Amino acid sequence: RKEVEQDPGPFNVPEGATVAFNCTYSNSASQSFFWYRQDCRKEPKLLMSVYSSGNEDGRFTAQLNRASQYISLLIRDSKLSDSATYLCVVNRGNKLVFGAGTILRVKS
Amino acid sequence: EAGVAQSPRYKIIEKRQSVAFWCNPISGHATLYWYQQILGQGPKLLIQFQNNGVVDDSQLPKDRFSAERLKGVDSTLKIQPAKLEDSAVYLCASSVPGLAGETQYFGPGTRLLVL
Repeated sequence: RKEVEQDPGPFNVPEGATVAFNCTYSNSASQSFFWYRQDCRKEPKLLMSVYSSGNEDGRFTAQLNRASQYISLLIRDSKLSDSATYLCVVNRGNKLVFGAGTILRVKS
Repeated sequence: EAGVAQSPRYKIIEKRQSVAFWCNPISGHATLYWYQQILGQGPKLLIQFQNNGVVDDSQLPKDRFSAERLKGVDSTLKIQPAKLEDSAVYLCASSVPGLAGETQYFGPGTRLLVL
């Protein structure tokens, strides 16, 4: 079993749609959590950190459920420019463990 | 602020040949990472340096891969000899402590194709 699991997608959604990605992690010692975004043939870039209380950044909302070892990312009012791969990442002892990513395609 | 620099951007070699990649982290970042990203997968940590010391190289195939960061700034990753399965993007990252742990900044990567 992979340490970080994500639905690979792809998620094909129209502009303006709301889309949610889920992620589960297996190591309860994981200390902090992130979503990274990776555009095609580009490097990963930090999208947002994920806190236990949940956090929001504009159209993006991240949630963490430590008891269920589950992380989510919600994107509201999807834009064409949101098309990318979204990587769920857990930090275990200053070591980042990446999921394989979920592909999002937003279409007009 | 300049980002993480990597070179070359692309490399094509034949199996059993050697190859080296170079990385220059963001100025002042003490921690440097090398990742391997195979198509369709997330990045996998190969080695982590803190200044010029190795923190974690548990997933580095040491029979063929080596890395160094002699002066605690830039770093090189070498593969010798290369295998077909080494075809991947090699990403270098550097980090600074943040509220939720280390925030890592990635370079553009070196895309390696082994024929």
